[in-house]
Amino acid sequence: QSALTQPASVSGSPGQSITISCTGTSSDVGSYNLVSWYQQHPGKAPKLIIYEGSKRPSGVSNRFSGSKSGNTASLTISGLQAEDETAYYCCSYAGSSIVIFGGGTKLTVL
Amino acid sequence: QVQLQESGPGLVKPSETLSLTCDVSGYSISSGCYWGWIRQPPGKGLEWIGSIYHSGSTSYSPSLRSRVTISVDTSKNQFSLKLTSVTAADTAMYYCARHGSTYYDISTSLYWGQGTLVTVSS
Repeated sequence: QSALTQPASVSGSPGQSITISCTGTSSDVGSYNLVSWYQQHPGKAPKLIIYEGSKRPSGVSNRFSGSKSGNTASLTISGLQAEDETAYYCCSYAGSSIVIFGGGTKLTVL
Repeated sequence: QVQLQESGPGLVKPSETLSLTCDVSGYSISSGCYWGWIRQPPGKGLEWIGSIYHSGSTSYSPSLRSRVTISVDTSKNQFSLKLTSVTAADTAMYYCARHGSTYYDISTSLYWGQGTLVTVSS
């Protein structure tokens, strides 16, 4: 299994919405609604912000939302805030009890 | 409140075995859930290493399977990672995490340890 494909970087202005894509294959993202998204600030452990494609853990802002179309999952952040500037990773179940991560996306708030 | 804490040597020599332990508090491993190891080389992305169920059932990354062993000790409420024949490419921050309660929930990690940096160098 190869890593899921994410853009290396995205940017947006405060208040705007941005979307980060996560492209896999019909064997992973396309076959299961089991994509999760993690936010990771420098020097910190990743934080789960979306699981099972579109569900938010308790305490996560509703500005974060997830979706999927075919072999591509997406994370949308609305009402962009300065504190959202950091790295984001997608992760998908890939069958046979295997998990794969995306390469990560650096979000810049302009 | 579930907490995880990694421990182990911060420096390992090339060709030797990396051994880490994750101590779990606030939740009994025997109660269920899957438990996993994820690593992150300096300045790079996350890589899933493998996961284990409280019963001892394991799954490993295909790229590391030949060198990885994950085990669980329910009496100590901890699980462990062994990675053999390490090279400089295994230098990374190693995180332990708690997944969900089913095998397909291993992509979901709500609880993470703070991570421990392991450097492979002579």
